[in-house]
Amino acid sequence: EVQLVETGGGLIQPGGSLRLSCAASGFTVSSNYMSWVRQAPGKGLEWVSVIYSGGSTYYADSVKGRFTISRDNSKNTLYLQMNSLRAEDTAVYYCARDLRIVGRKDYYYMDVWGKGTTVTVSS
Amino acid sequence: EIVLTQSPGTLSLSPGERATLSCRASQSVSSSYLAWYQQKPGQAPRLLIYGASSRATGIPDRFSGSGSGTDFTLTISRLEPEDFAVYYCQQYGSSPRITFGQGTRLEIK
Repeated sequence: EVQLVETGGGLIQPGGSLRLSCAASGFTVSSNYMSWVRQAPGKGLEWVSVIYSGGSTYYADSVKGRFTISRDNSKNTLYLQMNSLRAEDTAVYYCARDLRIVGRKDYYYMDVWGKGTTVTVSS
Repeated sequence: EIVLTQSPGTLSLSPGERATLSCRASQSVSSSYLAWYQQKPGQAPRLLIYGASSRATGIPDRFSGSGSGTDFTLTISRLEPEDFAVYYCQQYGSSPRITFGQGTRLEIK
């Protein structure tokens, strides 16, 4: 079964650091594009970061320079290192498989999502 | 950055009725890069539609997507009780950056 499980969330003080993990099963993380998406309490979805299968990484402006996306191929796990955390980073963080199908017609979409892990930044 | 604006913000309908949700982009988006998701309280988003009009695996045929350019629509032909949720459109037109619409809440009237 294709599955993603996020861990690592918790309560952290402003300015602190946290590392989120996303363990994949049923497919290979390194062969896919993988994204982090977050959702602040009562708000909509916000894309945070993506790592391409080739290793390129990209970030939303709101987290650029503070967050780092990475993966451990041996553990088939995706990570999000979050530094200099702010109150506005409080959210549920989801990892998602970010499919990019290129052929006669291209299709881009996120087809597998984890259940999410909650990050609360507060003193 | 491409901004997606969804309307209405909230849609109140009864089971059995037809729902029409709109997603408008601030600039043209290839239909290949437009997707729709459903999210229920306490759950992760679920892919409904990709490529603007292709249903994802396991999605009932009462869900359909259409549109091109800057205007896209998600239609639910006959609402079932389990369809009441929040719906988001998403675009990759400004890839690598991805944006979501602010969501439409579909509630029971």
